[in-house]
Amino acid sequence: NAGVTQTPKFQVLKTGQSMTLQCAQDMNHNSMYWYRQDPGMGLRLIYYSASEGTTDKGEVPNGYNVSRLNKREFSLRLESAAPSQTSVYFCASSPTAGAGELFFGEGSRLTVL
Amino acid sequence: AQRVTQPEKLLSVFKGAPVELKCNYSYSGSPELFWYVQYSRQRLQLLLRHISRESIKGFTADLNKGETSFHLKKPFAQEEDSAMYYCALRPFYNQGGKLIFGQGTELSVKP
Repeated sequence: NAGVTQTPKFQVLKTGQSMTLQCAQDMNHNSMYWYRQDPGMGLRLIYYSASEGTTDKGEVPNGYNVSRLNKREFSLRLESAAPSQTSVYFCASSPTAGAGELFFGEGSRLTVL
Repeated sequence: AQRVTQPEKLLSVFKGAPVELKCNYSYSGSPELFWYVQYSRQRLQLLLRHISRESIKGFTADLNKGETSFHLKKPFAQEEDSAMYYCALRPFYNQGGKLIFGQGTELSVKP
């Protein structure tokens, strides 16, 4: 019972490098989300996809892009990483945009030097 | 603006003591409120939501619309309750189903 799977779990980048965080869910959920978690800031929404084919900005979208590849997969791309993007990233999914419970992945810890 | 505030970064209590984790929100409409918990080395998971009005692991939370609060309470804390707790809000007419989280409170229950 995998639920929400994120890869990689850990990554170290140099400033200016690019990378993509992958997220996949096997629960047939319609909605998917990317959050970042920083000490003292809680979880902040980066981007979300209410349904396949749609994506929208969240609270802190700058420096990120997303792709809803299909119903299962929602990737987050950093085109030119900056030290301010050092964080733990969480992918989540929910059955529909109106369903309150989010199911989270284990997180991806990214360090940008 | 919609906002969730958890005023305590860290709450430390002894085993068997009552615990209250505070959550205040600002939202002009009728929100849906949640508590999520993250135990060490585990993923974030739903603890309870105000709509279901249930008690999970001895925790309860009552939505007080007058005080715009949704405090999480447990009468007798256990060591296994030590974790990071997040209060979250979903605006009633929200389009994307997204949740707005508070800053989190780390609960430490000492033996």
